[in-house]
Amino acid sequence: DQQVKQNSPSLSVQEGRISILNCDYTNSMFDYFLWYKKYPAEGPTFLISISSIKDKNEDGRFTVFLNKSAKHLSLHIVPSQPGDSAVYFCAAAYSSASKIIFGSGTRLSIRP
Amino acid sequence: DAGVIQSPRHEVTEMGQEVTLRCKPISGHNSLFWYRQTMMRGLELLIYFNNNVPIDDSGMPEDRFSAKMPNASFSTLKIQPSEPRDSAVYFCASSLIGQIYGYTFGSGTRLTVV
Repeated sequence: DQQVKQNSPSLSVQEGRISILNCDYTNSMFDYFLWYKKYPAEGPTFLISISSIKDKNEDGRFTVFLNKSAKHLSLHIVPSQPGDSAVYFCAAAYSSASKIIFGSGTRLSIRP
Repeated sequence: DAGVIQSPRHEVTEMGQEVTLRCKPISGHNSLFWYRQTMMRGLELLIYFNNNVPIDDSGMPEDRFSAKMPNASFSTLKIQPSEPRDSAVYFCASSLIGQIYGYTFGSGTRLTVV
């Protein structure tokens, strides 16, 4: 049973518009959430994170929102750029543990 | 630092053969993770080590899979015998213990079992 779920395998967004990637989790004990970005033939790289004590974290064009009651988080990219085309993985962790649980990923394509 | 180094980058093998994937973590990192990426399940954690000791191997799919970390600078993931359903991209990642935001992934090994 997957504890971190990304229900949209792919998303296509026009350049300059907002990209919204969604993620749901099932375990209320998770207290740290992350987004990773992956280009083809490369390993995933860390993008942005949020602690469960916050509901929003912003870093430049990237903002992550956390709704603990709904066990839902989202990643907003504004404005979307061609270089944002990649696979985005949502992930969750217990900050007391060493391991991260990843979702299945969403392939984002930014079209001109 | 060269980052996390995995070898080989690509491996094609016949069903029933033994496959060994290798990983060199970042120097100084003391946690090492093996993940498998598939279309259906995304990035699955197979096993992780802290200070060369296996901590959680609950993600290892079957007894055909084994992993070792004989020292701080080297780890292997072995599949024996391999099956077509093992075809996937296998990633190794390393970090400092407890720094869950500090994972560094290798470029992965694409395994194809025919």
